[in-house]
Order: sequence, then C-alpha cells, then structure tokens
Amino acid sequence: AQTVTQSQPEMSVQEAETVTLSCTYDTSESDYYLFWYKQPPSRQMILVIRQEAYKQQNATENRFSVNFQKAAKSFSLKISDSQLGDAAMYFCAYRSARARGSTLGRLYFGRGTQLTVWP
Amino acid sequence: GAGVSQSPSNKVTEKGKDVELRCDPISGHTALYWYRQSLGQGLEFLIYFQGNSAPDKSGLPSDRFSAERTGGSVSTLTIQRTQQEDSAVYLCASSLGGFRTDTQYFGPGTRLTVL
Repeated sequence: AQTVTQSQPEMSVQEAETVTLSCTYDTSESDYYLFWYKQPPSRQMILVIRQEAYKQQNATENRFSVNFQKAAKSFSLKISDSQLGDAAMYFCAYRSARARGSTLGRLYFGRGTQLTVWP
Repeated sequence: GAGVSQSPSNKVTEKGKDVELRCDPISGHTALYWYRQSLGQGLEFLIYFQGNSAPDKSGLPSDRFSAERTGGSVSTLTIQRTQQEDSAVYLCASSLGGFRTDTQYFGPGTRLTVL
C-alpha cells in the first residue's frame, strides 16, 4: 500500500515570510497524483494544490507552489508571503492514476502539519 | 453551486446505539467517498461509490459499519452498536468521477462522540 509521510507535526512562520512543508511518499507506481489540502479549525478540507506525476513542471497556485522531486518521492509545499489566514493543518495526499482494484480513487493521507502564523 | 454538505454537524450518542450520518455531494458528481479522521489513526478511507458500480468497501473497519447511496446522490453512513473507539470526525467527499482529472471536494464533516 502507498504511504505518505509528513515529518513535521508542527511548523510556524512569521506573517509575510516563506515557509516550506515537507512530504515524502512511497509507491511502486509511476503514474499518480499528489495533493495538498488545508484544514482550518472549521474542519473543512480545502484543496490547495495538485500535481500530476507525469508533469515535470511544478504546480503553482498564487502564493502556493510545490517542489516535486519524483525520483526522491518528495513533494514539498512552499507558502510565500504567509498570511494569518494560512494558519491550519496541512495534509499531503496521494492518489493512484491507475484504475484497478481497491486503490481506485481513494486518497492516502499523511498525518498532517499544523502551521501557525505569527503576526 | 453548493459544496458538499453533511449532517449532523455534531452527534453525541451512547455506547451501543446506532447512528446515521448523511452526506449530500456536489450536484453532478458521480463519485462519493467517506473518510474517518481520528487522533490515533489520522485520515482513513472507509468506502467509495462510483456511479452504479458496486461500492469499494475495503476500508470499513468492521461489519458494524455500512453505507448506501440512494439514487446516485445522497449517501448515508450507518454505524451500529457504536463503540467509544468510533469517536471521530467523519468526512465525506465527492468528485466528478472522470478518473484522470478527478479531484475530491470535502464536506465539513460530522464529529461523532460516543460516550
């Protein structure tokens, strides 16, 4: 089974600064998707960014960008110009792109990184 | 349009009682997922519905857990004879179901507390 590891249970950053959250994963597949979700105290999981494994170019969404290193199985999230509203739990997730068996569609999540933003 | 909705937002029940949790997916989404989020286990997959296909129940932790999806839309997760270890946040997600472009959108979850 695929595993996703987030080695930083907690991170903090000063407002307007940059922070990087780490994620590594283990898979034998070559085609898959990676996601970062944000979960504020409201519990609503919000998609931050996604990356297709077959694309070499790193995904970006405004202040959010990823560093996808396929060979190293690493998928870090960089938040630039951090804002107070970025404070949340961040989850890294993996999904297979191969339509087979019980892995179809399900997300595999890391344990999350709690991000605190200081004013 | 509206996002994924779940009800109730919070549920407190006594050990041994049955509970039903409801999920309303985004209109037009053919795929629906249930996940459980607990302190000890993190986020776990429970069950997956795709259109009219047989659901993938591989994540259900015991036969006390069941789920159905009526008319390809609303889904109900039922937990029978609840135990204290069932206390968790139950999250529902839906997606268009187009596999290569699929992204799951989550509801706000139901926090279940078993006393």
